[in-house]
Amino acid sequence: QKEVEQDPGPLSVPEGAIVSLNCTYSNSAFQYFMWYRQYSRKGPELLMYTYSSGNKEDGRFTAQVDKSSKYISLFIRDSQPSDSATYLCATGISGSRLTFGEGTQLTVNP
Amino acid sequence: DGGITQSPKYLFRKEGQNVTLSCEQNLNHDAMYWYRQDPGQGLRLIYYSQIVNDFQKGDIAEGYSVSREKKESFPLTVTSAQKNPTAFYLCASSIGEGSTDTQYFGPGTRLTVL
Repeated sequence: QKEVEQDPGPLSVPEGAIVSLNCTYSNSAFQYFMWYRQYSRKGPELLMYTYSSGNKEDGRFTAQVDKSSKYISLFIRDSQPSDSATYLCATGISGSRLTFGEGTQLTVNP
Repeated sequence: DGGITQSPKYLFRKEGQNVTLSCEQNLNHDAMYWYRQDPGQGLRLIYYSQIVNDFQKGDIAEGYSVSREKKESFPLTVTSAQKNPTAFYLCASSIGEGSTDTQYFGPGTRLTVL
């Protein structure tokens, strides 16, 4: 069983839709949670970073962590075609290395 | 501009050849990482280095080698022993080793074995 599970999609939505991207993890010791965005043929870039249960907002993006369920989510409001990318969740323990989900491919259609 | 550079962007290799992928950072980061990305597999850690002249194997180190002679540089050699080397290779760095430190990625090198 993978330590981090992420539905690879692909996910296709119309412009303006609310997008929900999700990951589950198995290790209750994981403390830090990140979302990376990767455009085609590019390196991933950090989108959101959080270390506690609850919500963290940044513009149109909201990261949500539920440690009791071992569930992390990324919500994108008013999605734009420029949001079309692969979204990777990542998590880990302090002093240790990151574990990545396999990524969800998102397409936002104009 | 601070960042991570990888070269070349595209690399073609004949079977049986060793190739070296370059990774340079000017972020003054201590830790550097090499990942391999394949469709449906996410990012898999090949090697990582926390300080100069020290590095550790990741999950899929067989067929790869690295060196860390300078803080700024962490080249990856894909040897002929790597059975399926065609993939997208990503280099990353962070201030220190650990999940508390954000990893910054380079643009990647796409390696194709002919």
